[in-house]
Amino acid sequence: GAVVSQHPSRVICKSGTSVKIECRSLDFQATTMFWYRQFPKQSLMLMATSNEGSKATYEQGVEKDKFLINHASLTLSTLTVTSAHPEDSSFYICSASHYGYTFGSGTRLTVV
Amino acid sequence: ELKVEQNPLFLSMQEGKNYTIYCNYSTTSDRLYWYRQDPGKSLESLFVLLSNGAVKQEGRLMASLDTKARLSTLHITAAVHDLSATYFCPRTQGGSEKLVFGKGTKLTVNP
Repeated sequence: GAVVSQHPSRVICKSGTSVKIECRSLDFQATTMFWYRQFPKQSLMLMATSNEGSKATYEQGVEKDKFLINHASLTLSTLTVTSAHPEDSSFYICSASHYGYTFGSGTRLTVV
Repeated sequence: ELKVEQNPLFLSMQEGKNYTIYCNYSTTSDRLYWYRQDPGKSLESLFVLLSNGAVKQEGRLMASLDTKARLSTLHITAAVHDLSATYFCPRTQGGSEKLVFGKGTKLTVNP
């Protein structure tokens, strides 16, 4: 079946630094990918929709300058958390639509 | 705007018992998905229900969709500990590909 590879699975960074999370569709082309954020014991919150070759569409309340999304190819979308702060610590998950939705394995970001 | 309400939000049950998780939707739509999430992990696809009356079964889990009632159910038969997880039933909104999630149902199956 369709596989979405997400890296890194865990990352710890210092406040003020930037972190890049990658999502790759391994055996299919993903023109659209979705980025979610999940707080502990809560549901998934859609942050943005990433479109290959065009600008991402951000959900209301999500800072586009803070969460930079790039979808440069049909198999790769990246989320960069810029100038990270402790409140950005969360579980970030990407997904791609391909005969349903396939989710990446998630990235646990801890900002110290 | 589509809203997804799951109940119960927390479910603790004994092994061997049966139970049903309910998902209600504020607007009609076609496709419905059921996912399972283990603690600290991502989402694992369980079922895709495409139309009214659809029923799918896999092992001890059976999902159904009633679009007229705006309701989907996930029935658990003879629960086992391995089924302990959080279950989500997102749907797409209108003509969008965006999935809308409810709060999830955290299931704990006790020995």
